Amino acid sequence: GAGVSQSPRYKVAKRGQDVALRCDPISGHVSLFWYQQALGQGPEFLTYFQNEAQLDKSGLPSDRFFAERPEGSVSTLKIQRTQQEDSAVYLCASSRTPDPYSNQPQHFGDGTRLSIL
Amino acid sequence: GENVEQHPSTLSVQEGDSAVIKCTYSDSASNYFPWYKQELGKRPQLIIDIRSNVGEKKDQRIAVTLNKTAKHFSLHITETQPEDSAVYFCAPDYKLSFGAGTTVTVRA
Repeated sequence: GAGVSQSPRYKVAKRGQDVALRCDPISGHVSLFWYQQALGQGPEFLTYFQNEAQLDKSGLPSDRFFAERPEGSVSTLKIQRTQQEDSAVYLCASSRTPDPYSNQPQHFGDGTRLSIL
Repeated sequence: GENVEQHPSTLSVQEGDSAVIKCTYSDSASNYFPWYKQELGKRPQLIIDIRSNVGEKKDQRIAVTLNKTAKHFSLHITETQPEDSAVYFCAPDYKLSFGAGTTVTVRA
C-alpha cells in the first residue's frame, strides 16, 4: 500500500476484555515499531521487529501486552485483560532498512485510539 | 540508553516570526537526527532529518543544524504560518526519544 495502515481506527472495550490491533506496514519495509501515545504526550516505544523477529520488546509495559509479526509483514499488538490506563493511541511505524539506527525515517500509521471503559 | 531533552516545551510565535527548538541527546554514537511534526489528531510525519556528517540542512522554510560536539541539534522554522502550529518531536533514537515534544502555536 501507499502508507502504513492501522485498524481499527477506534476501539472501545470494557475493562478486562482482550483487544487486538493490526498494522499493515509499507510493502517491503523490514523494520516495524509499535508506540503508545497517551493524551498530550509523545509516542513511547513499545516494541520493534526486524522482519518476523521481535528484536526489542523492552518497552512493553507488562506481560499483558504481546506483539507478533509471524510472516514479517502484518503485525498485531494484543492487550489482554485491558485496564483503564491502557487507554491511548497506539501507533505503528515502519522503516525500509533492517537496522533502526541506519539513518532512515519511520513512516507512521494513523494509529488506533483505544478507550477502556 | 539515550537521554533526550527538548526545549522549549511550548512556543508561541507571531505569524511571520521564526521559531527555534533545541534537542539535546546523550549518546555520542547517534548518527541520525530527525524531526517529526504531529498535528492534532494526526500521525507524526518526518519534516526534516540530518545525518552526522552534515552540519546543516535546509528545506524551504525549515532547517536543521547539528552540533555533534555539544550533542544537540535544532529545528529552525522561518516565516512561520498558522499551519506550522503542531507538536514537534526530535527523535535521535527510535526507542526513547520522542518525549513530550514542543507545542508550537503560531498566532495570526
